[in-house]
Amino acid sequence: EAQVTQNPRYLITVTGKKLTVTCSQNMNHEYMSWYRQDPGLGLRQIYYSMNVEVTDKGDVPEGYKVSRKEKRNFPLILESPSPNQTSLYFCASSLSIGTPDTQYFGPGTRLTVL
Amino acid sequence: AQTVTQSQPEMSVQEAETVTLSCTYDTSESDYYLFWYKQPPSRQMILVIRQEAYKQQNATENRFSVNFQKAAKSFSLKISDSQLGDAAMYFCAYRGYGSSNTGKLIFGQGTTLQVKP
Repeated sequence: EAQVTQNPRYLITVTGKKLTVTCSQNMNHEYMSWYRQDPGLGLRQIYYSMNVEVTDKGDVPEGYKVSRKEKRNFPLILESPSPNQTSLYFCASSLSIGTPDTQYFGPGTRLTVL
Repeated sequence: AQTVTQSQPEMSVQEAETVTLSCTYDTSESDYYLFWYKQPPSRQMILVIRQEAYKQQNATENRFSVNFQKAAKSFSLKISDSQLGDAAMYFCAYRGYGSSNTGKLIFGQGTTLQVKP
C-alpha cells in the first residue's frame, strides 16, 4: 500500500530535550516536505527536499533541522524544543514538483512541549 | 507572496442539503494549482479536488465541485447531498507552477463543517 508513515504519532516532551520525528514514504517520491498545523493558521511549510541531499527552508524553519540521506526518509529534528513548537506536524511527499502531482500526507504527529 | 484566505471559520449544513465553502487567494502568477483538502477528526489530510488554473472548466468529483473564478481569484467548494461523513475541517490550498515553484502548498485557515442529521 502506498503511504507516508510518521513516528511517533503522539509525543509529550520537555523544553530542551532533543527529539526526532521520522517520516518515510514507499512510493519512490523525489519531493518531501514538513508542515506544521496551528489553529487559525492552517498548515505552514517548515522544510522541503527536492531529492536526496537537497533540502531548503520553508516559511517557518526556525528551531528545526532536517536531513535527506535516503530517498524514502525525511526526519524532522528539534534540537532544543520550546513550547511554541507545540503543534501538529505533517510530513508529505509527491513524485516531483514539475507536475500537478498529488501530495500524499502522513497521519500527523501531535507534539506537546512542556 | 501568495496568500489564501478562508473567511468562514465554521459552517453547518443539514444532511442531504448543499453547502458552499468560500476561498479567495492572492497571486501574481498566471499558472498555478488550487486544491481542497478534507481533514476529518482522524486528522488525516485527504485531497478532495484539484483545479489547474489554465483550465476554464470547473473540476468535479462526485458530490464535490468547485466554482473557479480566476479573475476574481475565488475558488469555492460546493458539496451536494451532504452526508454525515462530510463533517470535517476543509482547507483550501494554492501551489505555484513553473520556475518559482518549490512544491510548497499555501493553505488557508480552514473551515469547520458541521453536518446536522
